[in-house]
Formats: sequence, C-alpha cells, structure tokens
Amino acid sequence: NAGVMQNPRHLVRRRGQEARLRCSPMKGHSHVYWYRQLPEEGLKFMVYLQKENIIDESGMPKERFSAEFPKEGPSILRIQQVVRGDSAAYFCASSPPGTGTEQYFGPGTRLTVT
Amino acid sequence: GQNIDQPTEMTATEGAIVQINCTYQTSGFNGLFWYQQHAGEAPTFLSYNVLDGLEEKGRFSSFLSRSKGYSYLLLKELQMKDSASYLCAVPTTGGGNKLTFGTGTQLKVEL
Repeated sequence: NAGVMQNPRHLVRRRGQEARLRCSPMKGHSHVYWYRQLPEEGLKFMVYLQKENIIDESGMPKERFSAEFPKEGPSILRIQQVVRGDSAAYFCASSPPGTGTEQYFGPGTRLTVT
Repeated sequence: GQNIDQPTEMTATEGAIVQINCTYQTSGFNGLFWYQQHAGEAPTFLSYNVLDGLEEKGRFSSFLSRSKGYSYLLLKELQMKDSASYLCAVPTTGGGNKLTFGTGTQLKVEL
C-alpha cells in the first residue's frame, strides 16, 4: 500500500509565477490536509478537504492561495503570484474516513521562490 | 484557541534515556499526538494518547496528564538515528480535524 504521494518534491519559481503542488492520499483515505512549514518553524495547518469539498480553510492566506480535491485525481494546492515569503516546505497528510485525527504525511514539496 | 509549548532543543548521549516535555492549553481535548521528523523528511507518527497514563511502544513511551495539560515522550536506549525533531500536536476541538503543532524539540544524540 503506497503512502501519501506528493509531487514535485522540489519546486523553484520566480516571483510572480504560479506554483502547483499535488498530493495523492493513501489508498482508501478520503480526507486530505495541507500544512506549511517555514524554515525554523513548526507545521502550520492550512486547509482540510474531502472529495469535492473544502471543510476547513481557516489556515489559508486570504489571497493567492487555493486548494481543491476533485472527484478524480490528486489534491492540488495552488499559489498564484508567488513571493519570497512563500518559500517553505508544504506537507500533505491524509486520513481514512471516520477517524479524522490519525494523519499520515507525505514527503513534502519544498518550494523555493527566487 | 490552542497553544502548545515544548523545549526548542535537547542533547543526550547514545544509550541514555531522554524525556521530552510538552504542555498544552486547549478549549477542549481530543487527544495528543507525538510525531518524529528527520531533517528534510515527512513527520512520522509515534503515538496518540487520549487517556491519562503511560503507553509504551518498544523504546518509545508517551505519558499524558489531562488535568495538568502535560505530556512527555520518553526515549530509551538512545541511538544516533534518534536525532530528529519531535513534534507534539493536538487535534482541533468542536469539529474539524486539523492538528495544531508545537514548534518541535530538536534532539541531538551524541556519542
């Protein structure tokens, strides 16, 4: 059983470009969470999604950031017009339906904005 | 709201025992998680405590006191590979499943 998959593992973008981060949850998991880890800081919750629904986006910046989890395919975290402060590791986690709290993390995408 | 506090870093000797503390404040309580994170890698699940007391899993044990808002992770027979960041986390209350993490305790194991 493959774990949580994220791609790309490393992404370099220039200021003003768009970044798209993908996450495929573990097989059988329908809940997806995105977290951001800034250098020397802890993990911060961004958004919690189920298939075709955003359940909690209280940690998402109000502008430039969006997330989706379509019926088919991976979850996508999109950052438009990236700025240097967006440079961070972005981790996706998934959990099975019904339990919610036991989350399994993917390897992360390290975004560098130049 | 939720708040978690843990030491920033600790150093211990190979073969020794180390205790990493975590204190938390939450408006409700849905359990407490410990994760291990090696540099540049994903956090991996270590333990989940929802009831008071000590739970042992091999070399790692986790303790919880709900009345004191306190937990600790105990690592025995330390190995060099245990050098990592240890993250304490609590799930949200009142619905939703997000985790609130502490900043992590960076453990360095020395010879």
